[in-house]
Amino acid sequence: SQQGEEDPQALSIQEGENATMNCSYKTSINNLQWYRQNSGRGLVHLILIRSNEREKHSGRLRVTLDTSKKSSSLLITASRAADTASYFCATAMNSGGYQKVTFGTGTKLQVIP
Amino acid sequence: NAGVTQTPKFQVLKTGQSMTLQCAQDMNHNSMYWYRQDPGMGLRLIYYSASEGTTDKGEVPNGYNVSRLNKREFSLRLESAAPSQTSVYFCASRDFLTNEQYFGPGTRLTVT
Repeated sequence: SQQGEEDPQALSIQEGENATMNCSYKTSINNLQWYRQNSGRGLVHLILIRSNEREKHSGRLRVTLDTSKKSSSLLITASRAADTASYFCATAMNSGGYQKVTFGTGTKLQVIP
Repeated sequence: NAGVTQTPKFQVLKTGQSMTLQCAQDMNHNSMYWYRQDPGMGLRLIYYSASEGTTDKGEVPNGYNVSRLNKREFSLRLESAAPSQTSVYFCASRDFLTNEQYFGPGTRLTVT
């Protein structure tokens, strides 16, 4: 079963606007990660937030985590056409030496120039 | 430093045929993973290998086998391909310190 559920499934915005994607999950996690996937390519890691962190920034990305609500959001500020891609959240739980990572179904973002 | 490489990029099989998808990483990572990606389903874990010499089933292992040949290489085998295995397959390795997964470019497999 999918641990992470992204919302919305698809998002279309104008260049320069902000894009917000949400992720909800069901069980306890050690960390939550966001990945980007350009069409026909592999996933690229964007940012990781640990379960004891509430907010993290990386360039134009801002991630929040609310463990009480089991939810996270990814904000991309001042979007560019190059941000057009699918974005996936992935929840990670450590079990011994193994990290179980479960991916959501993704949000498809289109940034219109 | 090539990261994670996968071969082939594309493959068409007939039902019942077998094939092996190859994956290699040059980042000295212990953990490696095989996922499949289907439209609207996100990525689902097929098998993983926490370290050289160990492999374990993921969420959807039926119809697949894996081999962790050495620390660099992790292969996925389809013994008797079925149309339900039409998908895009991704291999990944994990950096133990950062927990970041590095993905290969994928293999697009069609089973007719």
